[in-house]
Amino acid sequence: GQNIDQPTEMTATEGAIVQINCTYQTSGFNGLFWYQQHAGEAPTFLSYNVLDGLEEKGRFSSFLSRSKGYSYLLLKELQMKDSASYLCAVTDSNYQLIWGAGTKLIIKP
Amino acid sequence: ETGVTQTPRHLVMGMTNKKSLKCEQHLGHNAMYWYKQSAKKPLELMFVYNFKEQTENNSVPSRFSPECPNSSHLFLHLHTLQPEDSALYLCASSQSKGEAYEQYFGPGTRLTVT
Repeated sequence: GQNIDQPTEMTATEGAIVQINCTYQTSGFNGLFWYQQHAGEAPTFLSYNVLDGLEEKGRFSSFLSRSKGYSYLLLKELQMKDSASYLCAVTDSNYQLIWGAGTKLIIKP
Repeated sequence: ETGVTQTPRHLVMGMTNKKSLKCEQHLGHNAMYWYKQSAKKPLELMFVYNFKEQTENNSVPSRFSPECPNSSHLFLHLHTLQPEDSALYLCASSQSKGEAYEQYFGPGTRLTVT
């Protein structure tokens, strides 16, 4: 079966750095997405990785290792507004998105 | 504003009612999706339409019936629902299906079945 694993919940301090991991087992691979979802709101796109390596976008970076079936989202200089759920999703060989259950990130002052 | 709107935002219905959820996208996309989101569970893909044609129906009970009259509009018709159908229903769109395009989500309809 197809599976995406990510931690259920993480806590970090304002101004710090946090890394949210995602591991996957899917039928084929056509890219990995990270989305942010604030409570009561729609998920919004953060990043897309299809090749191995690190993609940096401001305070957020996303890393992919296809051989290990592994990705992480790195958030730097954490702000209170970063409190949200972070969803990892993989596009399989049929271009269907397989979603993880999300990681709820709690930022403390 | 994500360019995808959904109405209503909240819906309470009895198990014998019939209601419809509406989604509209203003992004010129060709693929539209219905998802169910329950607490602490992955997003569940329900239906996919690509160029107005239904391409996927992921074993969704027949009490959920989708309709896609054109590439900009998507409906989800509900009838004889069960309490376990209470969830957030999200609509999304993307440029098309068949490539790894990002999806744009609407704000969702919070459905409660009593």
